[in-house]
Amino acid sequence: TQLLEQSPQFLSIQEGENLTVYCNSSSVFSSLQWYRQEPGEGPVLLVTVVTGGEVKKLKRLTFQFGDARKDSSLHITAAQPGDTGLYLCADLGGQNFVFGPGTRLSVLP
Amino acid sequence: DVKVTQSSRYLVKRTGEKVFLECVQDMDHENMFWYRQDPGLGLRLIYFSYDVKMKEKGDIPEGYSVSREKKERFSLILESASTNQTSMYLCASSSTAGGPDNEQFFGPGTRLTVL
Repeated sequence: TQLLEQSPQFLSIQEGENLTVYCNSSSVFSSLQWYRQEPGEGPVLLVTVVTGGEVKKLKRLTFQFGDARKDSSLHITAAQPGDTGLYLCADLGGQNFVFGPGTRLSVLP
Repeated sequence: DVKVTQSSRYLVKRTGEKVFLECVQDMDHENMFWYRQDPGLGLRLIYFSYDVKMKEKGDIPEGYSVSREKKERFSLILESASTNQTSMYLCASSSTAGGPDNEQFFGPGTRLTVL
């Protein structure tokens, strides 16, 4: 059974700071997705990465997929209060639908 | 826009009650999913359905059943609610199951408390 770990579990930073959160898998990802869940809402897809070494950018968010396809990082530049939420990595590309426990990010104004 | 709606945002039930959680999607998606979300554990798959009247067990099906009589509707049933089923329940739908294009669209969740 694939297990996903995310770190840190909690992160509280000031507006304007940079941050990186991580996702690691016990086995190779079929494909990796990052979701963001805002309070009181369901998760919303941010990005899907498939190829080892792949880097994708979404405005101030940069997603990197490890060469071995077992880990990923999400870097946020100049964080804003609107970035507050729970960041989840997931492998929904195979027959198992697995989510990590999430990193809860709080960006203070 | 894809919309997934869940029948209740908050629900309080007593131990032993039968509980129905309803989910409706409006994008004609083949696949629908029920997850529960607990702090520190992330989302765990209870059941999913890839077609009407079809269902597959997820990682934690014990104590739950599901029903999919129409394509747009997927119901989660707790036959006899227990306190350890207190949780946030999330419904999702997708046009594909598996593969890199498997974006899941989620409802807002139902926070169930079993007393």
